[in-house]
Amino acid sequence: LAKTTQPISMDSYEGQEVNITCSHNNIATNDYITWYQQFPSQGPRFIIQGYKTKVTNEVASLFIPADRKSSTLSLPRVSLSDTAVYYCLVGDMDTGFQKLVFGTGTRLLVSP
Amino acid sequence: DSGVTQTPKHLITATGQRVTLRCSPRSGDLSVYWYQQSLDQGLQFLIQYYNGEERAKGNILERFSAQQFPDLHSELNLSSLELGDSALYFCASSAGQPNEKLFFGSGTQLSVL
Repeated sequence: LAKTTQPISMDSYEGQEVNITCSHNNIATNDYITWYQQFPSQGPRFIIQGYKTKVTNEVASLFIPADRKSSTLSLPRVSLSDTAVYYCLVGDMDTGFQKLVFGTGTRLLVSP
Repeated sequence: DSGVTQTPKHLITATGQRVTLRCSPRSGDLSVYWYQQSLDQGLQFLIQYYNGEERAKGNILERFSAQQFPDLHSELNLSSLELGDSALYFCASSAGQPNEKLFFGSGTQLSVL
């Protein structure tokens, strides 16, 4: 599985847009990119998944450049409740995410 | 609510003991995953089952074992417990198809004293 690198932590204020970038230089052709959110003492929750270009849902957008060696999770107008750890995962389409390895993630702190 | 049920929520035991963690997947999901998360650490994949069969194995210790039963619930058995086994243990489920999102339970907090 492709190794991912994310910033350890980020700080923001309520109402701002937050962009968290993940590097995955050795991403394979069949790999998808998935982001999860985890609150303290809770299980991770799926946010968004994409393969290329841009994906948007009701909570976030995912930007993937043409070379797919990185991706950016964009959270519009964050609130205090967006304080959490965000994980970027890259997995193989053929075998699925059987061996999903969550790295240390990015700890986002949103302040008033 | 993810639909994945884990019991118990908390477990306190002593070194050398054996415990069993239980997971009921979402209705209709065939695949169950187990993860371990130590304090301030990322989630470490332990093992995956699909429809009763082991599908993938991560860095699961030999002291740990798991199984998935015909009704699709799964159990993770931890034996000869050590202090370092103290962690949050999460179960996740999916239908088992490639690239599907995982639904995680609320975890079992294991404390080994």
